[in-house]
Amino acid sequence: DQQVKQNSPSLSVQEGRISILNCDYTNSMFDYFLWYKKYPAEGPTFLISISSIKDKNEDGRFTVFLNKSAKHLSLHIVPSQPGDSAVYFCAAKNSGYALNFGKGTSLLVTP
Amino acid sequence: KAGVTQTPRYLIKTRGQQVTLSCSPISGHRSVSWYQQTPGQGLQFLFEYFSETQRNKGNFPGRFSGRQFSNSRSEMNVSTLELGDSALYLCASSSQGLTTNEKLFFGSGTQLSVL
Repeated sequence: DQQVKQNSPSLSVQEGRISILNCDYTNSMFDYFLWYKKYPAEGPTFLISISSIKDKNEDGRFTVFLNKSAKHLSLHIVPSQPGDSAVYFCAAKNSGYALNFGKGTSLLVTP
Repeated sequence: KAGVTQTPRYLIKTRGQQVTLSCSPISGHRSVSWYQQTPGQGLQFLFEYFSETQRNKGNFPGRFSGRQFSNSRSEMNVSTLELGDSALYLCASSSQGLTTNEKLFFGSGTQLSVL
């Protein structure tokens, strides 16, 4: 049963605009959330994370927002660049347990 | 510092065969976890090994097994291969493992095709 859902398989955004990737989860015990980015033929790399005690975490062009009541998180990329084109995986966990990943959203940033 | 190394990069097997995949973690990392990536299911957790002991296990049949050696290198074995086992198999390493919130470092994966 998929506890972390990324309902948009793909997203296309123009360079310089904002990219918003969404993620929903069903398990209220999750207390830590992460985003990983994956290029073809490479393994996923860590992008940004957020603890459930926060509602926002920012790192440069990347910001993650967490809405616990809605069990929803989103990743904002501003401004989007062509090099951001990749598959983005949302992941969630509760302490001591394994990561649960979503199916991924493929982002294409066009010049 | 070398990253996570997975071998082989590609594998082609036939149904019923078995396969062994290898993962060498970053030096000093004691946790290795394994994941299966398919287009339909995304990334699914298989199991985690820490200091040669299996510490976490996902919902996969017993045909999927693993082990970890004293140097932290890990192997994953799949017996009696099925067509549905075709996937990218990724391993990830970290210092303290999945009981903490530390980030994982992934290898590039082994692409397994079962014919």
